[in-house]
Amino acid sequence: QSVLAQPPSASGTPGQWVTISCSGSSSNMGSNTVNWYQQLPGTAPKLLIYSNKQRPSGVPDRFSGSKSGTSASLAISGLQSEDEADYYCAAWDDTLSGYVFGTGTKVTVL
Amino acid sequence: EVQLVQSGGTLVQPGGSLRLSCVASGFTFSTYWMTWVRQAPGKGLEWVTNINKDGSQKFYVDSVKGRFTISRDNSKNSLYLHMDSLRVEDTAVYFCAREQWLAQGVSWFDPWGRGTLVTVSS
Repeated sequence: QSVLAQPPSASGTPGQWVTISCSGSSSNMGSNTVNWYQQLPGTAPKLLIYSNKQRPSGVPDRFSGSKSGTSASLAISGLQSEDEADYYCAAWDDTLSGYVFGTGTKVTVL
Repeated sequence: EVQLVQSGGTLVQPGGSLRLSCVASGFTFSTYWMTWVRQAPGKGLEWVTNINKDGSQKFYVDSVKGRFTISRDNSKNSLYLHMDSLRVEDTAVYFCAREQWLAQGVSWFDPWGRGTLVTVSS
């Protein structure tokens, strides 16, 4: 059950800035933190951003996250070819008593 | 190195049962929540279920309630997903993941296993 809305695709040329939005509701993003996952083709997802804006060690600082109310954004500055992947936001939902993922955004590097 | 090694995925007929396993290494398994996430072919991620450190708390997505059971054996550093009454729509790659749980609503999944494919078909 995807209850977090993301644009299906985003693209940019190498070096450009790309942003991905994630829209939820008061029961999920409005009251809980948001995480972002990157899934390269044919691989398992990888944690990219946690607790709205924190980067795990090893994740380049080109990736940044933010949240305001029931919306969140992932920004990629200085887009690189290796950033071509699917990106998912996720949060705990208090009403569902479970996690919800975004619909996913495929990033293409032109 | 923190690692999650998965096994158990296979082809099963509708109505059948299957148990997936996920063996952890490189961290103190008994101090972490654990979770299962699935991904149908060509689709997005769907959270399935999670379990707390001692197995006393479990949550499930509505579509698997009453059919799937999550469990763990901390003495074996192992997480399990027992799936009954399987349906065609349960066909997916199933990932296990360690859940870093700081408080209700403040948690994330890291790392993830490589996934195991469950195909439900006659």
